[in-house]
Amino acid sequence: KAGVTQTPRYLIKTRGQQVTLSCSPISGHRSVSWYQQTPGQGLQFLFEYFSETQRNKGNFPGRFSGRQFSNSRSEMNVSTLELGDSALYLCASSDGEGYGEKLFFGSGTQLSVL
Amino acid sequence: DQQVKQNSPSLSVQEGRISILNCDYTNSMFDYFLWYKKYPAEGPTFLISISSIKDKNEDGRFTVFLNKSAKHLSLHIVPSQPGDSAVYFCAANGGSSNTGKLIFGQGTTLQVKP
Repeated sequence: KAGVTQTPRYLIKTRGQQVTLSCSPISGHRSVSWYQQTPGQGLQFLFEYFSETQRNKGNFPGRFSGRQFSNSRSEMNVSTLELGDSALYLCASSDGEGYGEKLFFGSGTQLSVL
Repeated sequence: DQQVKQNSPSLSVQEGRISILNCDYTNSMFDYFLWYKKYPAEGPTFLISISSIKDKNEDGRFTVFLNKSAKHLSLHIVPSQPGDSAVYFCAANGGSSNTGKLIFGQGTTLQVKP
């Protein structure tokens, strides 16, 4: 099976712009989660989608949003970018049957905000 | 408030010896724990997990021990190999409302010297 695929791999944006990141989960996985990794805060949970519905959400401002399509692919959007949004954004998928299952991560999108 | 802590930012061991990585948690609701290995600019790779109903889980060279009363877990790698050099993250999950949500520690950088 192919792993979790994230595009693009690298992205450079300027403050105030918006950005959309894409994630294709492992075939058959219905849950997609997003994480942000920064040197200062580490890996932090953004949100989780299952069957096109947001099922869980972390403590991030409303500028961070996401959605999931019927084929389980997911997108994450960040509006009005700030310098502090520079980070590695990771997508993870699982079968979504419940908590306690392991997450499989993609390679991430490295976002730089100038 | 850091609910999962890895107090050792780095660890250096000789090839062939045992590597022991430690992790402490504060939230007694956590009941599933995972270890991930990560290389720079890549996503975390799942290594091994343990449910709170167990105190030990083995998979090849990797063994995870869980001490619930001390809220402590550890990952043992025996024997350590140079290819094990990476950042290791401890993660925790708990509660059916926390699907897709892992709480990560800050990571421990393991260096295995040939």
